[in-house]
Amino acid sequence: EIVLTQSPGTLSLSPGERATLSCRASQSVSSTYLAWYQQKAGQAPRLLVYGAATRATGIPGRFSGSGSGTDFTLTISRLEPEDFAVYYCQHYGTSRITFGQGTRLEIK
Amino acid sequence: QVQLVQSGAEVKKPGASVKVSCKASGYTLTNYGLNWVRQAPGLRLEWLGWINPGKGNRKYSQKFQDRVTIIRDTSASTVYMELSSLTSEDTAVYYCARGQSRGYNGHDDAFDIWGQGTMVTVSS
Repeated sequence: EIVLTQSPGTLSLSPGERATLSCRASQSVSSTYLAWYQQKAGQAPRLLVYGAATRATGIPGRFSGSGSGTDFTLTISRLEPEDFAVYYCQHYGTSRITFGQGTRLEIK
Repeated sequence: QVQLVQSGAEVKKPGASVKVSCKASGYTLTNYGLNWVRQAPGLRLEWLGWINPGKGNRKYSQKFQDRVTIIRDTSASTVYMELSSLTSEDTAVYYCARGQSRGYNGHDDAFDIWGQGTMVTVSS
């Protein structure tokens, strides 16, 4: 089973700042099968990025994904008030789909 | 409007089973795979399994394969997930989520549409 570890656990930033979220896999994975989701309190997750770097339909350009092998990054270039939420990475390329434990992005 | 609408909250006793439904609207159920994911308090999202509603083939997480059953009723555009032998550790919000690739017969797909979630509480 591939274990995904996200860091930091909590990130405190102000609107307008740049956010960098990390996702590390326990073994090398194909970037084809790495996704990022945003979840707000009381809501279902929302797909942001798939294939490590492709934005999902309707996702603003300030969200970008990158990485390969074991290290992947979600970057939010300039934080908007609605971006403060919990973010999860996901690997979906094996017989057991797994998720990271999440990074909470909070307003500083 | 493309959406997945799930059945309401459930309270079950240990040892019982629960069956949660997920009704698709705004698209043809049989054109996309459908997954089930749960989120227990304080724990990460956990994948339970997948079904191709068109062909009926399924794949279950090894962790749950002895307890989970996913079936579909194409005439009702609905997929069901049943989890048996419940314990308190099964208390969680259960989500259905659509695989994003139309016509793809595989579970290895990102999830683009999610249901609103169904809270399942297991308590004596």
